[in-house]
Amino acid sequence: EVQLVESGGVVVQPGGSLRLSCAASGFTFDDYTMHWVRQAPGKGLEWVSLISWDGGSTYYADSVKGRFTISRDNSKNSLYLQMNSLRTEDTALYYCAKDLEMATITGFDYWGQGTLVTVSS
Amino acid sequence: AIRMTQSPSSLSASTGDRVTITCRASQGISSYLAWYQQKPGKAPKLLIYAASTLQSGVPSRFSGSGSGTDFTLTISCLQSEDFATYYCQQYYSYPVTFGPGTKVDIK
Repeated sequence: EVQLVESGGVVVQPGGSLRLSCAASGFTFDDYTMHWVRQAPGKGLEWVSLISWDGGSTYYADSVKGRFTISRDNSKNSLYLQMNSLRTEDTALYYCAKDLEMATITGFDYWGQGTLVTVSS
Repeated sequence: AIRMTQSPSSLSASTGDRVTITCRASQGISSYLAWYQQKPGKAPKLLIYAASTLQSGVPSRFSGSGSGTDFTLTISCLQSEDFATYYCQQYYSYPVTFGPGTKVDIK
């Protein structure tokens, strides 16, 4: 059974930093592109970032470019999101998600339960 | 970035109704489009990818069509468990972008 379990969400002050983690199991982690997607309270979905199966390619939403860094450790079946210079508008539930097909971008077929990041003074 | 719009933003329907949701991309995206269903407090669920391919395990009352800039999600016979918010998503180019969502509720 595929499982994605996010952790690391807390309350942090504006300008602060945070690292989110996503532990993956039930599939061959290093075969798949992985994503972070966020959802502000009561709002829609916003894609944040992706990382290719080998970590060699990364992409970011304009809203987080230069502040967030996605990474993965295939030996630990784990995905990470380093979040710096946090802003109040980064407050959201952060999901990690697995791409449907290997080595490409398709739909996101498995999602974690999300971890809540609150940026507030 | 490619902008995705959806219409309507919300709709009220009854069990058994046929429901159609439209998604439009600001530029051509071929068939690089997915649809998701999200219920309150839950993670999104992939329904359709490649514009018209039904994800494994998704009931056949869901269907998708379109290519280029205009796409539709159709629920042929609405069931009680289908009341939710639906999002389209393009993955033709980066950044990946989602539509604003269409909320389907009970009439």
